[in-house]
Amino acid sequence: NAGVTQTPKFQVLKTGQSMTLQCAQDMNHEYMSWYRQDPGMGLRLIHYSVGAGITDQGEVPNGYNVSRSTTEDFPLRLLSAAPSQTSVYFCASSSESPNYGYTFGSGTRLTVV
Amino acid sequence: AQKITQTQPGMFVQEKEAVTLDCTYDTSDPSYGLFWYKQPSSGEMIFLIYQGSYDQQNATEGRYSLNFQKARKSANLVISASQLGDSAMYFCAMREPLIKAAGNKLTFGGGTRVLVKP
Repeated sequence: NAGVTQTPKFQVLKTGQSMTLQCAQDMNHEYMSWYRQDPGMGLRLIHYSVGAGITDQGEVPNGYNVSRSTTEDFPLRLLSAAPSQTSVYFCASSSESPNYGYTFGSGTRLTVV
Repeated sequence: AQKITQTQPGMFVQEKEAVTLDCTYDTSDPSYGLFWYKQPSSGEMIFLIYQGSYDQQNATEGRYSLNFQKARKSANLVISASQLGDSAMYFCAMREPLIKAAGNKLTFGGGTRVLVKP
């Protein structure tokens, strides 16, 4: 099915470990974003990209890195995991059309112990 | 400053009745878009409806309609004829401004949990 694919779905990390959350879309969307959702809260923007080779910081970028080498892929790297990064992570993509709803991946539930 | 405010943390609604979910927003940009998303207990984010700041008519999508009051900066979601499957968390979100360099970023409200009673 076309859409946004996130892997893994679940992950447990130890404090200080690093990892990469994968995100891929097959809709040729220019825009891609990473959000985190903490319990009982709305989503907050971590990083976003307006096209291959172009990324920028969102509201809560500290502790995360991104890159966009292709249109399809937008991985999120946790440099040194901390318990405060325990959250559900969503990747989303969007076309340039302003009234087009974002397509979200199914999420990655990350626990840092 | 909070840009999207959803003041109802939780609501009960009787099956087959209508329910209105409140959303107020704050922006100084004349060009923006407003979205509503549904998040069921399974966790995925489902796009429901969109309203552009320049749209003259309120958006509708099936049983969903958006009551857009620009002067009041409100964008309430109305769900008609509620079904048990409507039980979920609902998020209001805003994208501003509508230019490429801004990255199509969304700002979300805190959400409203809806529980439909049979």
